[in-house]
Amino acid sequence: QKEVEQNSGPLSVPEGAIASLNCTYSDRGSQSFFWYRQYSGKSPELIMSIYSNGDKEDGRFTAQLNKASQYVSLLIRDSQPSDSATYLCAVLNTGGFKTIFGAGTRLFVKA
Amino acid sequence: SQTIHQWPATLVQPVGSPLSLECTVEGTSNPNLYWYRQAAGRGLQLLFYSVGIGQISSEVPQNLSASRPQDRQFILSSKKLLLSDSGFYLCAWSGDTSAGSNSPLHFGNGTRLTVT
Repeated sequence: QKEVEQNSGPLSVPEGAIASLNCTYSDRGSQSFFWYRQYSGKSPELIMSIYSNGDKEDGRFTAQLNKASQYVSLLIRDSQPSDSATYLCAVLNTGGFKTIFGAGTRLFVKA
Repeated sequence: SQTIHQWPATLVQPVGSPLSLECTVEGTSNPNLYWYRQAAGRGLQLLFYSVGIGQISSEVPQNLSASRPQDRQFILSSKKLLLSDSGFYLCAWSGDTSAGSNSPLHFGNGTRLTVT
């Protein structure tokens, strides 16, 4: 079992729709979870951090965490073509020093 | 504010040649420092991390090495490059997590290495 798993996609949504990205992780002791966006040829940039069960909203982005199910998700409302990128789920391991990444989900937003 | 510098942006090297990639961080002290590699179309693989000067943890056995000669400087090296070393190399920093903080990673712009 991979430490952090994501559907590779691609996920295609029309402009203005909600994009839903999902991630599961294996380290039950993990306490910190992150979503990064990576445009083609560029380095990842942090878009959301979440540490507690429930929802966390920041503009058009909502991160959801369920530690019992070891599940993290990212919702993007009112998707724009500029949101087209690869989204990486990342989990800080129990020791607190290593951040493990999923393989990423490619998102395409069609105008 | 904190900034991270990584260079060079691109590099083409022949098989068997040496490698040195450098990364520096400004605006913070005692950061955790990381080297990741991303193969084409793949996820990020953690290569090395460091929680302090001279302290290096290696995640994947390979012909690469890392050093941290100063608090905010992290260097990735190889004595002889292999074709399989090609990829996108990313340096990152996070806040000091020794006290249990949950600081996210912040990445440099990356170095695209092609070994020919």
